[in-house]
Amino acid sequence: EDQVTQSPEALRLQEGESSSLNCSYTVSGLRGLFWYRQDPGKGPEFLFTLYSAGEEKEKERLKATLTKKESFLHITAPKPEDSATYLCAVRILDSWGKLQFGAGTQVVVTP
Amino acid sequence: NAGVTQTPKFRVLKTGQSMTLLCAQDMNHEYMYWYRQDPGMGLRLIHYSVGEGTTAKGEVPDGYNVSRLKKQNFLLGLESAAPSQTSVYFCASSYHRESNQPQHFGDGTRLSIL
Repeated sequence: EDQVTQSPEALRLQEGESSSLNCSYTVSGLRGLFWYRQDPGKGPEFLFTLYSAGEEKEKERLKATLTKKESFLHITAPKPEDSATYLCAVRILDSWGKLQFGAGTQVVVTP
Repeated sequence: NAGVTQTPKFRVLKTGQSMTLLCAQDMNHEYMYWYRQDPGMGLRLIHYSVGEGTTAKGEVPDGYNVSRLKKQNFLLGLESAAPSQTSVYFCASSYHRESNQPQHFGDGTRLSIL
């Protein structure tokens, strides 16, 4: 059975304290791994797509990496505006573009 | 450019009532999806559509029906609302399945069933 697991469930950081979020997956035929950011009361906002092991993508203080079994979202020197829930999702081969989501990691960055 | 727009944003229903949630996208996307989001469970796919006039079941389809009469619109119906359907509902759209483009989401409909 295809599974996507995110850890930790919640993370509290001081401003400037770097950390990493984990997304581990067990799927047959990965077509892509997606990271989204979700603010309270809003829909998920796309951040990155990763396709193959070893691939890395960066955007401001965020960097996503991918291995054959997991992905990491590194937050470098976070600011309070980085507070959000971060979701990862996998697209599986021959799934008509469907995504399977993890439960998310809620990140709070305090000044 | 509005992207994906969901109507209404909030709604309270009584058990047994029916209602329709509307999703509209202006990006000419072929694929559209309805999800529900519950605490600790992530986003779960209810139904999806790969083009005008076509729909298919997702992971949790029971109690819901959908229609895609126009390419830009995807409707989600609750025939007889139950308290278990209290949730936040998100609509998303994307290009065809082989595209590198991600799904784009609306801001959700918060639905409470009393």
